[in-house]
Amino acid sequence: EPEVTQTPSHQVTQMGQEVILRCVPISNHLYFYWYRQILGQKVEFLVSFYNNEISEKSEIFDDQFSVERPDGSNFTLKIRSTKLEDSAMYFCASRGQGMNTGELFFGEGSRLTVL
Amino acid sequence: GDSVTQMEGPVTLSEEAFLTINCTYTATGYPSLFWYVQYPGEGLQLLLKATKADDKGSNKGFEATYRKETTSFHLEKGSVQVSDSAVYFCALSERGGYQKVTFGTGTKLQVIP
Repeated sequence: EPEVTQTPSHQVTQMGQEVILRCVPISNHLYFYWYRQILGQKVEFLVSFYNNEISEKSEIFDDQFSVERPDGSNFTLKIRSTKLEDSAMYFCASRGQGMNTGELFFGEGSRLTVL
Repeated sequence: GDSVTQMEGPVTLSEEAFLTINCTYTATGYPSLFWYVQYPGEGLQLLLKATKADDKGSNKGFEATYRKETTSFHLEKGSVQVSDSAVYFCALSERGGYQKVTFGTGTKLQVIP
């Protein structure tokens, strides 16, 4: 069964460092998303991406964040200068064209720890 | 905007007890409704879904019915097992396009033997 894959599974970084989280969505999917879950808290929407541009972003997704689809398969989330409060689990998700029921397929997540 | 409200946890039940986790929603359109489950240390898995009023989603003994008149989508299971211990998220998505999924706060379920 096709699945969304994320790397790394866990990254530890120092405050102020740049971090790139990578995702490989399901191959024929066209809509891509990043979500964040701070430990023990709710799953929060960060950004959606379609047709090589951001379609919607939340208040959390400030200038420190960016997304990119550098090739036909990867979808990346970059945090330019990490802060302690960026420590969270980051989930990538994707959805296919015509899947109008809205279901998203999630990866296993990348845990980011900022020291 | 759209939102999902679900009951506070944690919920602690004995094995074979009946489970209900309440969920209500507000939406501008006619959303699809979901329950996602997150087992300890793992990612989000879709548990069940319903796409229109009166639809019943079901999976692994869990059920939820899309109640448009009460804007609710309560999760139920007749007899829980220890392996059901997880965090359960109610969620909705408007239809079409790039519409995101909006999650509730999650309800932690602990089932004790």
